[in-house]
Amino acid sequence: DIQMTQSPSSVSASVGDRVTITCRASQGISKWLAWYQQKPGKAPNLLIYTTSNLQTGVPSRFSGSGSGTDFTLTISSLQPEDFATYYCQQANSFPVTFGGGTKVQIK
Amino acid sequence: EVQLVESGGGLVQPGGSLRLSCAVSGFTFSNYWMRWVRQAPGKGLEWVASIKQDGSEKYYVDSVKGRFTASRDNAKNTLYLQMGSLRAEDTAMYYCARVASNRGSDFWGQGTQVTVSS
Repeated sequence: DIQMTQSPSSVSASVGDRVTITCRASQGISKWLAWYQQKPGKAPNLLIYTTSNLQTGVPSRFSGSGSGTDFTLTISSLQPEDFATYYCQQANSFPVTFGGGTKVQIK
Repeated sequence: EVQLVESGGGLVQPGGSLRLSCAVSGFTFSNYWMRWVRQAPGKGLEWVASIKQDGSEKYYVDSVKGRFTASRDNAKNTLYLQMGSLRAEDTAMYYCARVASNRGSDFWGQGTQVTVSS
């Protein structure tokens, strides 16, 4: 099984800050990496698919990059509505696996 | 408008069974893989199962193999998760999600809570 290791597990940041979250796969997953945002009591929301493609309706301050085993989600200028938990997910092979999550909190 | 609506959750005793349903609308259900994903209280997301468009392929996380069965009725636009031999560690919010061609889950239901407790 492919393990997805996300870091950090939490980050405290201010509005306007640049935030970077990393996700490392235990083996190569090609381009099959997605990022989700989840707010308390809500279902996850797809932000980025195939490593770097922005889902329709997602603000351009979100971006994804990476290849092989190392991937990054960047929020260029944190907005109040971005305080949430973020998950990476690989779909290169079954079982589909998620990272442990990164909680972005208000500093 | 794409909608996914789960139902069937509830409180069940250890060893018991439940069948979750996910009724979809707003898209051609038979064109998409579907997933079940769960989230235990205060924990992260865990993929549970995936099922191909025609139901011919199904995949499960190891912890539910032999106990859970995913199925679908394309005529009724409904996805199912039959859950048996339930354990306390199956307690979670269960979400159904559509799988896009890019392998991301682009639409999710609101979730249905399953609690396994005596």
